[in-house]
Amino acid sequence: LAKTTQPISMDSYEGQEVNITCSHNNIATNDYITWYQQFPSQGPRFIIQGYKTKVTNEVASLFIPADRKSSTLSLPRVSLSDTAVYYCLWKGSQGNLIFGKGTKLSVKP
Amino acid sequence: DAMVIQNPRYQVTQFGKPVTLSCSQTLNHNVMYWYQQKSSQAPKLLFHYYDKDFNNEADTPDNFQSRRPNTSFCFLDIRSPGLGDAAMYLCATSRQNIQYFGAGTRLSVL
Repeated sequence: LAKTTQPISMDSYEGQEVNITCSHNNIATNDYITWYQQFPSQGPRFIIQGYKTKVTNEVASLFIPADRKSSTLSLPRVSLSDTAVYYCLWKGSQGNLIFGKGTKLSVKP
Repeated sequence: DAMVIQNPRYQVTQFGKPVTLSCSQTLNHNVMYWYQQKSSQAPKLLFHYYDKDFNNEADTPDNFQSRRPNTSFCFLDIRSPGLGDAAMYLCATSRQNIQYFGAGTRLSVL
């Protein structure tokens, strides 16, 4: 059973770029890497997903190296409202999702 | 315009008293999931449906059961809740590898 590895917590200040890296050494060749954001007492919310190289949307970028054994979520110019837990996860061929431990991001003024 | 709706948001039950949590979706997605999330932990997949095909995770206790009478609704039944079953229960649907979560039901067991 593949496990994801993320830093437990990170601190940042408003306006900074935040990069959260996840290790998924055993990800299968056909798996996507997906990142979710979760606020207290809410369900996780989709941020971004990728398979390889770089993906960018209106809220984040996702960098995936060629070996796909890790991925980095990049949040540009964070604000206080970005304080949340960020989960890296991968999708198995059976359609199930396995969440990493999560990274608690704290953004300070 | 909630798309995955979980009821109730908070549920209190007694030790050993059966409880049912509900989930409905307006997305018409084929796949639905139930997760258990304990405090400061990642969600843990209990089971999922692809249409009516039920897929149980190997480590999901028999105490947890599920029903999906149609595409829109899915239920989580806990037959004899124990203190260790107190948690947030999350329902989700998925399409094109993206999951859409409800707000969750927080279950307390007294």
